Amino acid sequence: EADIYQTPRYLVIGTGKKITLECSQTMGHDKMYWYQQDPGMELHLIHYSYGVNSTEKGDLSSESTVSRIRTEHFPLTLESARPSHTSQYLCASSGDRGGSPLHFGNGTRLTVT
Amino acid sequence: AQSVTQLDSQVPVFEEAPVELRCNYSSSVSVYLFWYVQYPNQGLQLLLKYLSGSTLVKSINGFEAEFNKSQTSFHLRKPSVHISDTAEYFCAVSETGTYKYIFGTGTRLKVLA
Repeated sequence: EADIYQTPRYLVIGTGKKITLECSQTMGHDKMYWYQQDPGMELHLIHYSYGVNSTEKGDLSSESTVSRIRTEHFPLTLESARPSHTSQYLCASSGDRGGSPLHFGNGTRLTVT
Repeated sequence: AQSVTQLDSQVPVFEEAPVELRCNYSSSVSVYLFWYVQYPNQGLQLLLKYLSGSTLVKSINGFEAEFNKSQTSFHLRKPSVHISDTAEYFCAVSETGTYKYIFGTGTRLKVLA
């Protein structure tokens, strides 16, 4: 079954650590996205990719970086985690046709202590 | 610039009662409209979408939404809610010709027994 997977689901880590949030999809979608979600707030786009070797920063400034070496894989990296990075991170993908909906993973809830 | 407004942050309603979750958007061009549902500790799932054609769109679990261009609205309705409908609902818009999606802040629907 085509799907989108995020690991880990939950992560508690100390300040200053480097972390990578994994996201993989089996739908063959070229477009992939990372959103940050905080309670009571809209989802904020932090990174997106239109295909292999294509990455762009989103509307919300983020200290994270992403890479897109393979179509199915879109990991997000924080070089030095801080408490302000505590949030839920949602990965999504979409098809190429206009109006294609986003398909979301179950998210990674990150807590930086 | 695009924006999405969900005025109601929380909507409590008794089981089997009707409910309407409001969504207004602003955009100077044609848009695609979406409603997503998020259950606790999960990602967002597509509930229904409007791309073109009939302004009334329906989901398989009894929800419906009507696109009103003059009022720039896309309100979500269900004539009789169930306990299992308790979740957070997000309205989203994507301008035609782009692949960016703008989300509202969400409405938490709580169905009471």
